[in-house]
Amino acid sequence: EAQVTQNPRYLITVTGKKLTVTCSQNMNHEYMSWYRQDPGLGLRQIYYSMNVEVTDKGDVPEGYKVSRKEKRNFPLILESPSPNQTSLYFCASRVGGAETQYFGPGTRLLVL
Amino acid sequence: GDSVTQMEGPVTLSEEAFLTINCTYTATGYPSLFWYVQYPGEGLQLLLKATKADDKGSNKGFEATYRKETTSFHLEKGSVQVSDSAVYFCALSYQGDTDKLIFGTGTRLQVFP
Repeated sequence: EAQVTQNPRYLITVTGKKLTVTCSQNMNHEYMSWYRQDPGLGLRQIYYSMNVEVTDKGDVPEGYKVSRKEKRNFPLILESPSPNQTSLYFCASRVGGAETQYFGPGTRLLVL
Repeated sequence: GDSVTQMEGPVTLSEEAFLTINCTYTATGYPSLFWYVQYPGEGLQLLLKATKADDKGSNKGFEATYRKETTSFHLEKGSVQVSDSAVYFCALSYQGDTDKLIFGTGTRLQVFP
């Protein structure tokens, strides 16, 4: 089944404790993105990647890191999480030349 | 910059009622327009899209027409069902290297039997 998977789905952590949210797609898509969803703000792009070893900032990259060492994986790293990073996070992917993005199920993060 | 504005929710309807969710956009170029739907506890799914002016996207009884003159992409359905209860997001994007979807804030639809 073609899909985007994220782990974990739910995470409670404390300020300053490094964490990684994994994202994996099995569709051989070149493009991958991370978004965060906050009430009243919709979804905003954090980082995106056009292919292996090619990443760039989205609209709200502060406090986040990403890497793209393999085509299928695009982890999101919070090196020192803060409470304002409490949010619902979505990973998405698409094939180059197409516009439709496929979203993962989301990761709900609470930073205390 | 580019932006998308959606009507505030929630929208509450009885089953079989007519649905309209308004969406307007501001764009510097000629974007493609999308409606995504988010069912409870799930990720976003593409509902329909339109890539140029006067195009009509349709899927599962939902329709939206790309109106360049009014910069709008309103979502409509003639007869909603309880199973349509979800959050609906209007979005725009430009095909290219930025890979960014610009989303509206979302509109929650609640349909009661």
